[in-house]
Amino acid sequence: AQSVTQLDSQVPVFEEAPVELRCNYSSSVSVYLFWYVQYPNQGLQLLLKYLSGSTLVKGINGFEAEFNKSQTSFHLRKPSVHISDTAEYFCAVSDPGTYKYIFGTGTRLKVLA
Amino acid sequence: DGGITQSPKYLFRKEGQNVTLSCEQNLNHDAMYWYRQDPGQGLRLIYYSQIVNDFQKGDIAEGYSVSREKKESFPLTVTSAQKNPTAFYLCASKFPGTGRNEKLFFGSGTQLSVL
Repeated sequence: AQSVTQLDSQVPVFEEAPVELRCNYSSSVSVYLFWYVQYPNQGLQLLLKYLSGSTLVKGINGFEAEFNKSQTSFHLRKPSVHISDTAEYFCAVSDPGTYKYIFGTGTRLKVLA
Repeated sequence: DGGITQSPKYLFRKEGQNVTLSCEQNLNHDAMYWYRQDPGQGLRLIYYSQIVNDFQKGDIAEGYSVSREKKESFPLTVTSAQKNPTAFYLCASKFPGTGRNEKLFFGSGTQLSVL
């Protein structure tokens, strides 16, 4: 069965500092990997995704993530955060053959002035 | 505008009552999903449907039921068997197949509370 682990429930960081949000997954088959963001009082939207090919994927708002198969990780990074990046970030995995999407427990990113 | 509409935005349930959450999409998506969001627990999959008249249980289906009689609609019923129904419920849908368009589209959610 697939599962996703986001070890950090909250990450405080000062504005303009770099940030990394960690995501590890477990699956016995090849998977698709995603990061979604939920801004306060809004629905979720896709930040970026890895389906195949290059292991470094770039998304919206300056975020990027690197797929590491040997470490079963898909960590999200941004070199310089803004106050507007304050949100909850969810890592997700799907099995291409089943349509089933599993989400992690989320990481609350709080950007401090 | 195309999108996913969830209603109502807020819903209150009395003890022993069944309530139904509505989810409608006009995106022509085949697959639809229901998730439950609790603080600190992320999104947990309740049910999903790949196609009309077919649906599968997710990880926390007990106490919930769904139907998929139309492509556009995927209502979720929270039954009296669900002892802890207070949560934020999110509906999502997806393009058919995989590839460049692979992603979930989410509605704005329904907050269910117990009176």
